[in-house]
Amino acid sequence: GAVVSQHPSWVICKSGTSVKIECRSLDFQATTMFWYRQFPKQSLMLMATSNEGSKATYEQGVEKDKFLINHASLTLSTLTVTSAHPEDSSFYICSAQTSADTQYFGPGTRLTVL
Amino acid sequence: GENVEQHPSTLSVQEGDSAVIKCTYSDSASNYFPWYKQELGKRPQLIIDIRSNVGEKKDQRIAVTLNKTAKHFSLHITETQPEDSAVYFCAAISGNQFYFGTGTSLTVIP
Repeated sequence: GAVVSQHPSWVICKSGTSVKIECRSLDFQATTMFWYRQFPKQSLMLMATSNEGSKATYEQGVEKDKFLINHASLTLSTLTVTSAHPEDSSFYICSAQTSADTQYFGPGTRLTVL
Repeated sequence: GENVEQHPSTLSVQEGDSAVIKCTYSDSASNYFPWYKQELGKRPQLIIDIRSNVGEKKDQRIAVTLNKTAKHFSLHITETQPEDSAVYFCAAISGNQFYFGTGTSLTVIP
């Protein structure tokens, strides 16, 4: 199947700092990428849909000014958690959608905010 | 919007037995139904999918059935093995929107 990478895999930061997470589709072009948040033993919670060349669509309750999404190319989307706080600590997973509507997930980024 | 419900939330089976996980959805426009397996600390992996023009699909020990009229679809795992232990998520896709079920934690007891 298609390969999606995510970087970094784990990041620890101080409260108040910003963290950028990258999601790349390595062997296919993805006009649409998704960002999810996952708490331990819980399902994936869709945060936003990222479309190449346009503004991301955020789910209800997700602050767009706090979770900045940029999809500058067909293979790269970034999520920036601005002014991170301990409650933002979570597992963030991206996915990229192929032309056949199949979604492939990145390995995830574990964010710990101290 | 779409509402996907998944049952059961936890499931334990003896090795060699079958496991069945069921999902229901609400949006009749949903036309693509993938199943993902997620092992602890890892990314969800697509294991099988089915589109709305097909009623059943099988891949070795894994099969998925779809009943469009009743708006439900199920994952069937036969001859379960300990390595099948994981969390399984169903999803329903309508247009560009992915909606995930709440997950089923499957434990296969050796």
